[in-house]
Order: sequence, then C-alpha cells, then structure tokens
Amino acid sequence: DAKTTQPTSMDCAEGRAANLPCNHSTISGNEYVYWYRQIHSQGPQYIIHGLKNNETNEMASLIITEDRKSSTLILPHATLRDTAVYYCIVRVAKAGGTSYGKLTFGQGTILTVHP
Amino acid sequence: EAQVTQNPRYLITVTGKKLTVTCSQNMNHEYMSWYRQDPGLGLRQIYYSMNVEVTDKGDVPEGYKVSRKEKRNFPLILESPSPNQTSLYFCASSSRQGGDGNTEAFFGQGTRLTVV
Repeated sequence: DAKTTQPTSMDCAEGRAANLPCNHSTISGNEYVYWYRQIHSQGPQYIIHGLKNNETNEMASLIITEDRKSSTLILPHATLRDTAVYYCIVRVAKAGGTSYGKLTFGQGTILTVHP
Repeated sequence: EAQVTQNPRYLITVTGKKLTVTCSQNMNHEYMSWYRQDPGLGLRQIYYSMNVEVTDKGDVPEGYKVSRKEKRNFPLILESPSPNQTSLYFCASSSRQGGDGNTEAFFGQGTRLTVV
C-alpha cells in the first residue's frame, strides 16, 4: 500500500470548515483513498473513501486531485466533537487478496477544533 | 445496531498469566483483525482472519494467538503475557469488497491491557 504524508496537527475554529490535506504521490491506479478518525483512544471510525472522483457523505467531503497524488478531507462545519486524529490511508480494495482488509495507519493529523 | 464488541475494556494482569480478549461482530463480516496501538508507533496489525478457520499473521504477531471457529468471533490469546504487551488493543471487522470498492472497517471500543 502507498505511503501517505499528513501534517502532524491542525487547528480549526468551531463552525468553520476543516480542510485536512494528504499527500500520496506513489498511489497506484487500483488504490483507493480512505479516511478514518480516532477520537481520544476510541476505536477508529470510517469517514469516507474514494478512487478518483470527489465524494461527499453526511460526515465529510473528499477532494482528490486529478493526478490522484493528493487529497483533502473537508469537514464543512467543524464542531468540538470533531477533535480527533484523522488518518489518510491508501489501499487496494479487492476481494480475494490477502491484504484487502488490512489498514496501514500512519501517524495521522491531530485536528483540534476550538470554540 | 452494527457493532464490534470487545471484552474486557480494561485488564491488569501479571506476567505469564494466560488471558483471552474476546471480539464479536454482528455484521456477518468475513474479515476480522486485531491491532495494537502504542504511543509513537500508531496502530499495527497483529493477526487477521479472512474467514472461518483461516487466520494469518499481521505485522507484529509474536506472543499472540488467535482462532476463528465461528464467523462472528475472533478471540486474541496471550499465552504468557509480558510487560511489552502492555498496549491498547482493537478488534476490527469488514466485509469483502462492495460494489464501489468499499471495505469499510468497523472497530471495537478497545481493550486497554496492562501487564505487570
């Protein structure tokens, strides 16, 4: 799975958009970009994933550049409860392979949302 | 409610005393795995299972055993715990590939183990 690079920490004001960048310059054509977050030692929580198109769900939006070498997770209206460590992971999502379920976590970005 | 349940949430034990951390999921997922999380090292996979009776080592399997006799359960066994296994443990499960490539993993709430 491709390596990712994220900033160590970021701050965001409550109610503003939080934009979390991720660099994955060695991503392969069959690798997806996944985002998870972990709130204060709880189990990681899935947020969103994408291949090459931008994606949106009830939690966030994912913007992937055209060359797929980087992406941005957007929390449109951050709240205090969004304070967490955010992990960007790229991996193959293919049934049958031995690694399809494995998630390789980096250090992530510590997002602090302040009042 | 879809969930992964781990027990116990907290455990303090002594070196060498065998213990089992249980993990159960109610989503009929094929894939289950165990991770440990340590400061500065992040989350690392210990063992995984692709289906009943199919298990394999992850990145840090030494000192651990697992079994998968039923689809819903995937216990983590420490035959002779040592202090370097003091950690926060997470069980996770996921299904095989969805139509859009999604294999969202669901994690348990964690087990904080201290070995003295």
